[in-house]
Amino acid sequence: QLQLQESGPGLVKPSETLSLTCTVSGASISRSSYFWGWVRQPPGKGLEWIASIYYSGGTYYNPSLKSRVTISVDTSENQFSLQLRYVTAADTAVYYCARHPDGGHYYFDYWGQGTLVTVSS
Amino acid sequence: DIQMTQSPSTLSASVGDRVTITCRASQNIITWLAWYQQKPGKAPKLLIYKASSLGSGVPSRFSGSGSGTEFTLTISSLQPDDFATYYCQQYHTFSPLTFGGGTKVEIK
Repeated sequence: QLQLQESGPGLVKPSETLSLTCTVSGASISRSSYFWGWVRQPPGKGLEWIASIYYSGGTYYNPSLKSRVTISVDTSENQFSLQLRYVTAADTAVYYCARHPDGGHYYFDYWGQGTLVTVSS
Repeated sequence: DIQMTQSPSTLSASVGDRVTITCRASQNIITWLAWYQQKPGKAPKLLIYKASSLGSGVPSRFSGSGSGTEFTLTISSLQPDDFATYYCQQYHTFSPLTFGGGTKVEIK
């Protein structure tokens, strides 16, 4: 059974970099043809797609965040990661990692449980 | 960006009711639309993909329809476990993927 688990600091100071990792278990990132992505949800608000990455490294970014975001994959650790630079209070959210199914369909079929990141000094 | 507009934003219903939620896209997305259910403190769960295909393990009381710019999610007979917030998502284009604002289904 595929499982995704987010990890990283729950508190980040304004202007610093938010770094999160998603560990995938139950499947090998490097042996699959899936995209993997990040979605966030500010408290009490809706969902916002951040970025997605293919196992071989191809990436897609939300243009609204692209200048501040890097998504990367580490197939040796079966993980993919998110970095969001120059954070502000508006970046406070629950961050989810998730998988896109194969076949070029870019909805999300598996999700991590989410991790709350608060931006505050 | 393709804007996704859901209506209503809140819906009050009783167990056993037939419930319909609408999602409109700002441009033609063919049938590249998914629906998710989210409960408080939990991750979204895939219900429907490609507008009308049922996700794995999803009860048959959930159904999706539509194409182009107008889509609906229907719950044929609302169950206690169905009180949640529902989101649509377009995946016609990766630039960017976008979600609707959500529809909260409350107990009447």
